[in-house]
Amino acid sequence: GAGVSQSPRYKVAKRGQDVALRCDPISGHVSLFWYQQALGQGPEFLTYFQNEAQLDKSGLPSDRFFAERPEGSVSTLKIQRTQQEDSAVYLCASSPRLAGMIQETQYFGPGTRLLVL
Amino acid sequence: AQKITQTQPGMFVQEKEAVTLDCTYDTSDPSYGLFWYKQPSSGEMIFLIYQGSYDQQNATEGRYSLNFQKARKSANLVISASQLGDSAMYFCAMRERNGGFKTIFGAGTRLFVKA
Repeated sequence: GAGVSQSPRYKVAKRGQDVALRCDPISGHVSLFWYQQALGQGPEFLTYFQNEAQLDKSGLPSDRFFAERPEGSVSTLKIQRTQQEDSAVYLCASSPRLAGMIQETQYFGPGTRLLVL
Repeated sequence: AQKITQTQPGMFVQEKEAVTLDCTYDTSDPSYGLFWYKQPSSGEMIFLIYQGSYDQQNATEGRYSLNFQKARKSANLVISASQLGDSAMYFCAMRERNGGFKTIFGAGTRLFVKA
């Protein structure tokens, strides 16, 4: 079956531009996560959706970052007025059940590599 | 304070030999889970193995085993019989019962398998 897909795979933006990153989770997966992975670092949590509800956005670095999942499937991470420090790989992950179970396995997409010039 | 520490930025191992990747963690939550993920150059994180804080035995999954030493707060990954395809970044990660929905990752270790 299809895994988690993300688009675009690469995005180059000029400083100040708005960007939108898309995540298609595995069909039927309830939980969806976004992570930011800076060069040479591990992923850092950004936000969590349970179906269409955004239950945790504590990791979003500023109010320029906005995420949505309006129908409980596809999710979009939007970054407004991009800055150079936003350059990173943005990873999306989904899991079939609620995120309350510690051992719940997350299935990751290949990521979108964002470069802000 | 770092919650997950991986002190080896890079490791080399000869093909067919075993290798241990180190991970120490810091938490005051009595209930937590530890994960190892592999990230090849393609970018996606691949789940390898999981260890719960209350699990009595060390987790094993095929060639992967987790050396869990709770008192030392370490959760080292052991890869037996290394293969060339094991060359990748490896991340240790933790979820805490009271940590909300966050998974916390270490900085990773890059493993190079030599032929």
